[in-house]
Amino acid sequence: AQSVTQLGSHVSVSEGALVLLRCNYSSSVPPYLFWYVQYPNQGLQLLLKYTSAATLVKGINGFEAEFKKSETSFHLTKPSAHMSDAAEYFCAVRPYSSASKIIFGSGTRLSIRP
Amino acid sequence: DVKVTQSSRYLVKRTGEKVFLECVQDMDHENMFWYRQDPGLGLRLIYFSYDVKMKEKGDIPEGYSVSREKKERFSLILESASTNQTSMYLCASIRVDEQYFGPGTRLTVT
Repeated sequence: AQSVTQLGSHVSVSEGALVLLRCNYSSSVPPYLFWYVQYPNQGLQLLLKYTSAATLVKGINGFEAEFKKSETSFHLTKPSAHMSDAAEYFCAVRPYSSASKIIFGSGTRLSIRP
Repeated sequence: DVKVTQSSRYLVKRTGEKVFLECVQDMDHENMFWYRQDPGLGLRLIYFSYDVKMKEKGDIPEGYSVSREKKERFSLILESASTNQTSMYLCASIRVDEQYFGPGTRLTVT
């Protein structure tokens, strides 16, 4: 069965520092991969997605993620954290075999220190 | 912009009550979903629907049912609410590869 693992339920970085949120997936065939962000008291918003085109995917708000098949990883990065980046981030996978079902990771809460 | 709305942001119900959570999307999407979100568990799929009157169980359907009488509306029903159903409930619809989420309903069952 497909699964998604997010390493670290809570990550804290200083404002201006690099943000790195880790995501690994289990799949014999590269699936579609997503990162979503959830701000307090809001629903989830799509940050970026990988659909077998370029391995480096750029998203909104300066975030990007790199698909690495050899490592089955899809880590999310941002060069310089901003206070407004504080939120919960979810990695998700949609297997090729599924027309619509998406499997979510357990989430990583990102805190930004002034 | 796609808009997914949920009928309530906060809801408090008593154990044993029948609870209806409503979700409406305005972009003619065929696929709609109900998730529950709990700390440390991420989002877990309860039910989804790929067409009017069609539904499929997700990973945790026990204690829930759904209704899809019109394409734009997908309802989640708790037949007899229990305290372990206290959670955040998120509705979503999908276009191609992108899911669009509603703001969520935080349900407390006392």
